[in-house]
Amino acid sequence: NAGVTQTPKFQVLKTGQSMTLQCAQDMNHEYMSWYRQDPGMGLRLIHYSVGAGITDQGEVPNGYNVSRSTTEDFPLRLLSAAPSQTSVYFCASRLGITRDEQFFGPGTRLTVL
Amino acid sequence: GDSVTQMEGPVTLSEEAFLTINCTYTATGYPSLFWYVQYPGEGLQLLLKATKADDKGSNKGFEATYRKETTSFHLEKGSVQVSDSAVYFCALSDQGAGRRALTFGSGTRLQVQP
Repeated sequence: NAGVTQTPKFQVLKTGQSMTLQCAQDMNHEYMSWYRQDPGMGLRLIHYSVGAGITDQGEVPNGYNVSRSTTEDFPLRLLSAAPSQTSVYFCASRLGITRDEQFFGPGTRLTVL
Repeated sequence: GDSVTQMEGPVTLSEEAFLTINCTYTATGYPSLFWYVQYPGEGLQLLLKATKADDKGSNKGFEATYRKETTSFHLEKGSVQVSDSAVYFCALSDQGAGRRALTFGSGTRLQVQP
């Protein structure tokens, strides 16, 4: 049972490049979400999904896309990277929307030059 | 909207000292409250939680009591160890918001010196 896994661990992009951050979980959790962590600001919700085929926006969705074709995977796409997207990104999952405990991946540190 | 306010860090303590990290919240509904811990280079792990007023969450010697009258959920530990050095996040999940996500405080870095 690997829990929540994320790849890559580190990434450097140039402004305007696109990329996909991968997230997978093997706990059969319905609910998955993406957060970004910036110094002094805690974690802010980017997008979330309550099940395969269903996604919605969080607090800071601009510049990011998501899709959920399977229960296990929830990739985050940066369409045209900007320096403001330099951050640490965390994927999280939980069993259902009413089950409070979230399990976090180890994070992806992204730098946009 | 919902919000969580934590004391700013870093908090630097000597080993075996008493720890308190303050956390207060605002919420529209009846939130569940959490403390998460982030060790260097890792993701967040749930440390403890409380789901209703006057509940006490506890784990690994850490405790926090859900105080509805003061809208607080302060984290305490009687004797810290070097291995407790980490960033601690207070968070809430608001039933009124459909519990779609957690609202986090900004985090408090704890450094414990031997």
